[in-house]
Amino acid sequence: GQQLNQSPQSMFIQEGEDVSMNCTSSSIFNTWLWYKQDPGEGPVLLIALYKAGELTSNGRLTAQFGITRKDSFLNISASIPSDVGIYFCAGLPGNQFYFGTGTSLTVIP
Amino acid sequence: KAGVTQTPRYLIKTRGQQVTLSCSPISGHRSVSWYQQTPGQGLQFLFEYFSETQRNKGNFPGRFSGRQFSNSRSEMNVSTLELGDSALYLCASSLTLAGASTDTQYFGPGTRLTVL
Repeated sequence: GQQLNQSPQSMFIQEGEDVSMNCTSSSIFNTWLWYKQDPGEGPVLLIALYKAGELTSNGRLTAQFGITRKDSFLNISASIPSDVGIYFCAGLPGNQFYFGTGTSLTVIP
Repeated sequence: KAGVTQTPRYLIKTRGQQVTLSCSPISGHRSVSWYQQTPGQGLQFLFEYFSETQRNKGNFPGRFSGRQFSNSRSEMNVSTLELGDSALYLCASSLTLAGASTDTQYFGPGTRLTVL
């Protein structure tokens, strides 16, 4: 199946710092989605991207669909304690979504 | 608009039993996909249903099955439970089949299944 490499695996940052994470795939994707998951809950959609080069923001979150269509980036600016959680990317190369392994974010007040 | 709902939220079963999980998609959404999430394997695709038909299937044994009703609600069944089936089972709803140009999936809260 498709391989989605998500990095970093975990991050420990100070409140107020910016965060950056990314996903890369072995093949071309048509859609990239970014989710946040809190413990014991389902993933919540943050940002959806549908075109190569597309840059989309949702508050302090900004995500980009890579030009090569094989990668995507998520940035969080001025992190706050409630940003804590696991962030997943999901990509659609055809008719099935594939998910990254997640980035665990810890924000230290 | 109500989100995706899943019942039950928690379930404890013993090996060899079977279990049925339920998912109600967002109103108007016709596609329901099921995923298994474990710490070791992450999110793994089980299957997708659209218009009461299974349209896509992941790499899981036949013990895992599902169905979709005319109101788009979906059920997933796991027979002859094994210890390794312990996981968070998530369903996600979409307006249409995965692969549409502006497809987006919205997840429910999940059902936590523990097999003893």
